[in-house]
Amino acid sequence: GQNIDQPTEMTATEGAIVQINCTYQTSGFNGLFWYQQHAGEAPTFLSYNVLDGLEEKGRFSSFLSRSKGYSYLLLKELQMKDSASYLCAVDTGRRALTFGSGTRLQVQP
Amino acid sequence: GAVVSQHPSWVICKSGTSVKIECRSLDFQATTMFWYRQFPKQSLMLMATSNEGSKATYEQGVEKDKFLINHASLTLSTLTVTSAHPEDSSFYICSAGRTGEAFFGQGTRLTVV
Repeated sequence: GQNIDQPTEMTATEGAIVQINCTYQTSGFNGLFWYQQHAGEAPTFLSYNVLDGLEEKGRFSSFLSRSKGYSYLLLKELQMKDSASYLCAVDTGRRALTFGSGTRLQVQP
Repeated sequence: GAVVSQHPSWVICKSGTSVKIECRSLDFQATTMFWYRQFPKQSLMLMATSNEGSKATYEQGVEKDKFLINHASLTLSTLTVTSAHPEDSSFYICSAGRTGEAFFGQGTRLTVV
């Protein structure tokens, strides 16, 4: 089966840095995605990792270690608008994505 | 701009009626599209894979006779929820893309009363 784990909730302070971890055990691996989802809206693409290492894109960075089945999303200079759910998803080779349960991030002043 | 467009964004229907949701790829041809469902405070769950010109592939536990999928062209897939019941109320989202890309439609909030 497929198993993707991420923390249910996190709280951080405006201006700070937060790291959201994701571990996965899947039957196949064709890449890992991170999405941001605000309540009642569709997910918005943040990043895609298929090779090991760190991908940086503005205030957001994503890291992947395939040997460890591990990824994290790093958010810097947190803003109030970053309060949302962050979804870790794996392409197991079917191109359809298998999602983790999502991490609800609350940014406080 | 959006590369996958989904319509309608919300719909309220009476129990027992059918509802059709459309998903269009705007900038590319999509031989495969995906339909997901999301219940409140839960993550997205794949319902089915829509294949252009052939039958859809449904995930375990998803009734193919209840959730009819038609992928008649390279840019359009439709999901019809037949004989809707209140428990079908959910957020339905389609997706399309290529390897390394997965774009989502805006989602459809279905409420069955």
